[in-house]
Amino acid sequence: ELKVEQNPLFLSMQEGKNYTIYCNYSTTSDRLYWYRQDPGKSLESLFVLLSNGAVKQEGRLMASLDTKARLSTLHITAAVHDLSATYFCAVDPNYGGSQGNLIFGKGTKLSVKP
Amino acid sequence: DGGITQSPKYLFRKEGQNVTLSCEQNLNHDAMYWYRQDPGQGLRLIYYSQIVNDFQKGDIAEGYSVSREKKESFPLTVTSAQKNPTAFYLCATQDSMNTEAFFGQGTRLTVV
Repeated sequence: ELKVEQNPLFLSMQEGKNYTIYCNYSTTSDRLYWYRQDPGKSLESLFVLLSNGAVKQEGRLMASLDTKARLSTLHITAAVHDLSATYFCAVDPNYGGSQGNLIFGKGTKLSVKP
Repeated sequence: DGGITQSPKYLFRKEGQNVTLSCEQNLNHDAMYWYRQDPGQGLRLIYYSQIVNDFQKGDIAEGYSVSREKKESFPLTVTSAQKNPTAFYLCATQDSMNTEAFFGQGTRLTVV
């Protein structure tokens, strides 16, 4: 059974600080996705990582993928209040096969305080 | 306007009642998915469909049913057999290359 584990599940940060969210998964996959969810809202796509060593950056967020370690990180640089949300990673366990459904982690609830 | 439309946004169900959640897309994507999200939890897969007239059970299909008669539409019925249906339901689509999943705005279902 594929497992996707995020940590921490809750993160309280001060503005201006840096931090990293980790996403570990238990099966071979070359595809990993990061999403953001605001309270009561749907999921917004942040990053799509499609190969080992992939690194993508958007503003204060940077995501990377190490398929050999089965690990993805989401790094937050100089956090601001607007980044407060829940962040999910998701893994495609069947890339190249007949299925494309994503398996999600439980999410990391980020709160950035002044 | 391109995208995924879920309706209604809020839905209230009485005990023993079946209700249907709508998901329509104009992205021309082959794959469509239904996920359930409980408070403070991640998303769990209910059903998915890769092509018209075909669908597969996900991890928590019991008490739910779907149909895929048209490429654009993938409705989800929550039956009376689903004993704890109160949750946030999200519909998603992917293109044929399965490069990215896009989500609708969700339907919040509450049992009254």
